[in-house]
Amino acid sequence: SQKIEQNSEALNIQEGKTATLTCNYTNYSPAYLQWYRQDPGRGPVFLLLIRENEKEKRKERLKVTFDTTLKQSLFHITASQPADSATYLCAPEGDSSYKLIFGSGTRLLVRP
Amino acid sequence: DTAVSQTPKYLVTQMGNDKSIKCEQNLGHDTMYWYKQDSKKFLKIMFSYNNKELIINETVPNRFSPKSPDKAHLNLHINSLELGDSAVYFCASSHDPGHRYGGEKLFFGSGTQLSVL
Repeated sequence: SQKIEQNSEALNIQEGKTATLTCNYTNYSPAYLQWYRQDPGRGPVFLLLIRENEKEKRKERLKVTFDTTLKQSLFHITASQPADSATYLCAPEGDSSYKLIFGSGTRLLVRP
Repeated sequence: DTAVSQTPKYLVTQMGNDKSIKCEQNLGHDTMYWYKQDSKKFLKIMFSYNNKELIINETVPNRFSPKSPDKAHLNLHINSLELGDSAVYFCASSHDPGHRYGGEKLFFGSGTQLSVL
């Protein structure tokens, strides 16, 4: 079955540094992958989408890579700020375009 | 205006009761979803509807019955609630991802925290 793995341990970094979060998937090849941010008590908010024919996608301080050989996506936040502290969810397409498979998320803590 | 709104925000009830969660979107989207987030924070798809038609039913017990009266609404009715139903339920919507390239971003509501005692 399709399996999504994100680091369950929180990532704790100093303000101004680059945060790198990892998403690994197994047993299938999604056509695209999305990243979401979730704050406590709120619903996930879309950040970026990257397709299988794209190696890299950028939006302001955010960068996502998609390595279909390694079956891995990396999510980078450069010049991190305390306001970036949240849980980040990886969501590749499932076995239907009407289904996203979410990872359990990685919590990011940015210290001032 | 809230794009995807769901009510209630909190729902506390006894085992065996029947309850409903309502969801409405004002984004003009064709597709709506219900996701369940358990205590371990996994967000799992339950149902997907496109133009009021059921597309995905992810082996959800038939105690859960979604209803889409129109494209802007997708309600979730739960019969005979069980302790294991306690979770946060999220409604979401998107443009139809079933086109050639797929991949539409989802807009989520703020969630309904269901506690079954």
